[in-house]
Amino acid sequence: ETGVTQSPTHLIKTRGQQVTLRCSSQSGHNTVSWYQQALGQGPQFIFQYYREEENGRGNFPPRFSGLQFPNYSSELNVNALELDDSALYLCASSSSGPTGIYEQYFGPGTRLTVT
Amino acid sequence: RKEVEQDPGPFNVPEGATVAFNCTYSNSASQSFFWYRQDCRKEPKLLMSVYSSGNEDGRFTAQLNRASQYISLLIRDSKLSDSATYLCVVNARGRDDKIIFGKGTRLHILP
Repeated sequence: ETGVTQSPTHLIKTRGQQVTLRCSSQSGHNTVSWYQQALGQGPQFIFQYYREEENGRGNFPPRFSGLQFPNYSSELNVNALELDDSALYLCASSSSGPTGIYEQYFGPGTRLTVT
Repeated sequence: RKEVEQDPGPFNVPEGATVAFNCTYSNSASQSFFWYRQDCRKEPKLLMSVYSSGNEDGRFTAQLNRASQYISLLIRDSKLSDSATYLCVVNARGRDDKIIFGKGTRLHILP
């Protein structure tokens, strides 16, 4: 087990709604990254938080936003849900520093279905 | 050219054989490289980091070729339990960090 937890495990939402996903990072890790993984695809990088600030972002629209808290846990918020947002959302924690990203450890994911 | 490319497979390999995957990347500023494995409907699990000097962990060997911008993974004496999707990951540092996963290579080990 990686020690990274995510909640909820499954979620069903309606198009246009908003959703908040949560992640608790592994003890000692200061960086959290979020990914979207559609079926049959590799994880797509959404963004990363390092010490409570966004430290990198992939090609996702502004309706995808996040937060990192002082204890390094994190939230992913998605507004105005679209059908294509249906996917597995993965959170990964790692230690990071000025020389880059170290190994990431993933949580089990939240499976979001938008109807 | 895609940022990170992998042959999707599937690679169907008899148990005990050696199999190798490559992964190419387009950003020459990439600094960190990793291999992950992902079982069906599970989260990715770190297999190994890829260092400039190459590294080995039991039956697994990873290599980095910066000149040709690819990383490789070699699995020797393959086991049935090696059946999974193998994902390469590249971290490019620039104005901000960007982490790119390949789409993965599916491996089936045949008894």
